[in-house]
Amino acid sequence: GAGVSQSPRYKVAKRGQDVALRCDPISGHVSLFWYQQALGQGPEFLTYFQNEAQLDKSGLPSDRFFAERPEGSVSTLKIQRTQQEDSAVYLCASSPWTRTGGGNQPQHFGDGTRLSIL
Amino acid sequence: SQQGEEDPQALSIQEGENATMNCSYKTSINNLQWYRQNSGRGLVHLILIRSNEREKHSGRLRVTLDTSKKSSSLLITASRAADTASYFCATRREYGNKLVFGAGTILRVKS
Repeated sequence: GAGVSQSPRYKVAKRGQDVALRCDPISGHVSLFWYQQALGQGPEFLTYFQNEAQLDKSGLPSDRFFAERPEGSVSTLKIQRTQQEDSAVYLCASSPWTRTGGGNQPQHFGDGTRLSIL
Repeated sequence: SQQGEEDPQALSIQEGENATMNCSYKTSINNLQWYRQNSGRGLVHLILIRSNEREKHSGRLRVTLDTSKKSSSLLITASRAADTASYFCATRREYGNKLVFGAGTILRVKS
């Protein structure tokens, strides 16, 4: 399909383990976003990339969270030394960038990775 | 911390009825967007309204925006069982690209 693809769909880890979540954005989309969604809540912004540049990481909750997009396409969100409060759905979204529209483009979301920390 | 608040938190209606959801936000915005989320899935973009627009239509959807009251409403007309989902408003500020979401309204349409 041509949508945003996230893997794995489900991840169970023991507290203290490191995890890596992958996002394949829509081909050609310049902007990539990561969000964290707790049960029954709306998504909360974590970080934003424009191509390979991480322009905003103000939403990352701690230095245990790290995101990268080295070649401007696939992105990985890594969480080190996981804690129970990290349990959530992690959503990735991408959007195009247009000269006239700038950031006024809808975001296209993947189905997310549901992370459970035991 | 989420900027927006949706009202009501949950809404249950019969098929064919109209559904209205409201959203309030706190800061000045560039645009406001509405998204739908089915259980266990990602968000699907429904409609975007810019800060200089007051009303927008798309099929059975009608969105209004009142920047003086910092509020928006989403109207779904002639609802269908397939409209059952959570609905979120999200705002984009004047500068920056991130979206700030509300807590959502859970809509249930009974057939």
